[in-house]
Amino acid sequence: IAGITQAPTSQILAAGRRMTLRCTQDMRHNAMYWYRQDLGLGLRLIHYSNTAGTTGKGEVPDGYSVSRANTDDFPLTLASAVPSQTSVYFCASSDSAGGPVEQFFGPGTRLTVL
Amino acid sequence: GQNIDQPTEMTATEGAIVQINCTYQTSGFNGLFWYQQHAGEAPTFLSYNVLDGLEEKGRFSSFLSRSKGYSYLLLKELQMKDSASYLCAVFDSNYQLIWGAGTKLIIKP
Repeated sequence: IAGITQAPTSQILAAGRRMTLRCTQDMRHNAMYWYRQDLGLGLRLIHYSNTAGTTGKGEVPDGYSVSRANTDDFPLTLASAVPSQTSVYFCASSDSAGGPVEQFFGPGTRLTVL
Repeated sequence: GQNIDQPTEMTATEGAIVQINCTYQTSGFNGLFWYQQHAGEAPTFLSYNVLDGLEEKGRFSSFLSRSKGYSYLLLKELQMKDSASYLCAVFDSNYQLIWGAGTKLIIKP
């Protein structure tokens, strides 16, 4: 049982390039989330999906897009990367949305935009 | 605005007890979580409080006072492996998790 996997583990990207961060879960969780974590700041929600086929904007959605074609996958795309998007990105999932349930996190992707 | 405050860093001695405080000001309250995050790793769930009082789970306990907007995580019999960051997070009225910046706990022998 893998839980949540993310790929790549790390990436160095030139500014202006397009990049997709992959996230897959095998727990059949309905809700999935993308966070970024920066030094000195708490985890900030980028986008979320309460169920397959639906997505929503979090606290810091600008410059990012997501899709949720099925239950398991929730890719995050940076259309044109900028240096301020240098961060550690975590994907998470939970059994249900709209309720205070535990979120399970993937191992993270460390992204550097130069 | 919404705000969660935690100390940036704390140091404690192996075998001792440490209390990590968290104060919050959020639009509504639907529960408070504590997560542990080792350096370079993902956060993992420690505890959840929604009612006032103390929840005990082995060496870890978490306390909540909703009227004071306050919680603490109590770690007993500290071990070197407890060196990590501890994240406080609150579910607001929209059921969005609002995260504190985390407290880095350093354990010394």
